[in-house]
Amino acid sequence: SYVLTQPPSVSVAPGQTARITCGGNNIGSKSVHWYQQKPGQAPVLVVYDDSDRPSGIPERFSGSNSGNTATLTISRVEAGDEADYYCQVWDSSSDHYYVFGTGTKVTVL
Amino acid sequence: QVQLVESGGGLVKPGGSLRLSCAASGFTFSDYYMSWIRQAPGKGLEWVSYISSSGSTIYYADSVKGRFTISRDNAKNSLYLQMNSLRAEDTAVYYCARGCKNVDAFDIWGQGTMVTVSS
Repeated sequence: SYVLTQPPSVSVAPGQTARITCGGNNIGSKSVHWYQQKPGQAPVLVVYDDSDRPSGIPERFSGSNSGNTATLTISRVEAGDEADYYCQVWDSSSDHYYVFGTGTKVTVL
Repeated sequence: QVQLVESGGGLVKPGGSLRLSCAASGFTFSDYYMSWIRQAPGKGLEWVSYISSSGSTIYYADSVKGRFTISRDNAKNSLYLQMNSLRAEDTAVYYCARGCKNVDAFDIWGQGTMVTVSS
């Protein structure tokens, strides 16, 4: 099955930039989507198709994808960005067609 | 506003059954594919099942295949998940989620319903 690996945690000071990676075999050939999940809440889509943002998502959230790594970048980090972040792809060869990453906890210092 | 509301969760014994429902509002339900996605306590997200907008195409994760059945009633704007032969490892918050048009992602999620499988 297809595996997406994320770092368990990322810490960042307010106003700085957070980068969250999502590693997968030749992930650059797939479309990657990112979700933000705050404690006790449902996930929210923040980036789709590698780098597009749904309406209402701040421009501070951006994404890229190449080779074996996709990256979610949060610029000018705010306290309200503290959350778990998950990457996700579609993989028809997997035992889970929709594959989620292991998740990254972003802590704002 | 666009909304998904799950119901039907609860405590069930191993081997038991439960039926989850998801009521959609604020959009044309029959235009969208839907999925169930779960999250075990303190764990990550796991996709469970998919159903196309018409209900003609269905997929399951291997972990639930043969035990869970997804269905929808477009006339009632509702999505369902029939869960049989439940196991302790099925304990999780179950979310229904709307698929994005032309994108393999989920843009609207319900608040989730908790399923606990325990004796």
